[in-house]
Amino acid sequence: GQSLEQPSEVTAVEGAIVQINCTYQTSGFYGLSWYQQHDGGAPTFLSYNALDGLEETGRFSSFLSRSDSYGYLLLQELQMKDSASYFCAVGAHGQNFVFGPGTRLSVLP
Amino acid sequence: EAGVAQSPRYKIIEKRQSVAFWCNPISGHATLYWYQQILGQGPKLLIQFQNNGVVDDSQLPKDRFSAERLKGVDSTLKIQPAKLEDSAVYLCASSLEDNEQFFGPGTRLTVL
Repeated sequence: GQSLEQPSEVTAVEGAIVQINCTYQTSGFYGLSWYQQHDGGAPTFLSYNALDGLEETGRFSSFLSRSDSYGYLLLQELQMKDSASYFCAVGAHGQNFVFGPGTRLSVLP
Repeated sequence: EAGVAQSPRYKIIEKRQSVAFWCNPISGHATLYWYQQILGQGPKLLIQFQNNGVVDDSQLPKDRFSAERLKGVDSTLKIQPAKLEDSAVYLCASSLEDNEQFFGPGTRLTVL
């Protein structure tokens, strides 16, 4: 089977940097995605890592270490609108696409 | 570009009743997904279509849930009969590739 772990909650202040970790267990792994979901809204795609290393997209960056079955989402220059739930999701050959339990980020003024 | 459309947005039914949800994916997206998201949890994949064929339905409770994607475009998800534990948001998504899925607004189902 597959499993993903994320911290349930993270709190930070505006302008700060926060890192949301994700560890996974699966066979046939081919990629790790990150999605943002505001309360009452639909998940929206943030980033995707298939290879080891850091991918940067504006204020958001995502990192993957395939050997450690670990990734993280880095959010810089936090804004109030970044308060949301963040999900990592794993794609694996021969297995269904799986989302993690989500990390609820609260950004304080 | 129009996004993924879903209807209805909200539905309230009593247990043992039937309900159906509709999804229209982004034009040209061959892959369509139905997810169930219970409050406070991540989305759980119910079924994945590639065009009009089923790629994965391993987590679909087939005794009560069914889905179809006729002509490889629109899709419907049906629950018959509904149980209290089916109360959730049902999300439809579509994609060109697995790594970037586009989600519709979802249907919030309440089973009383």
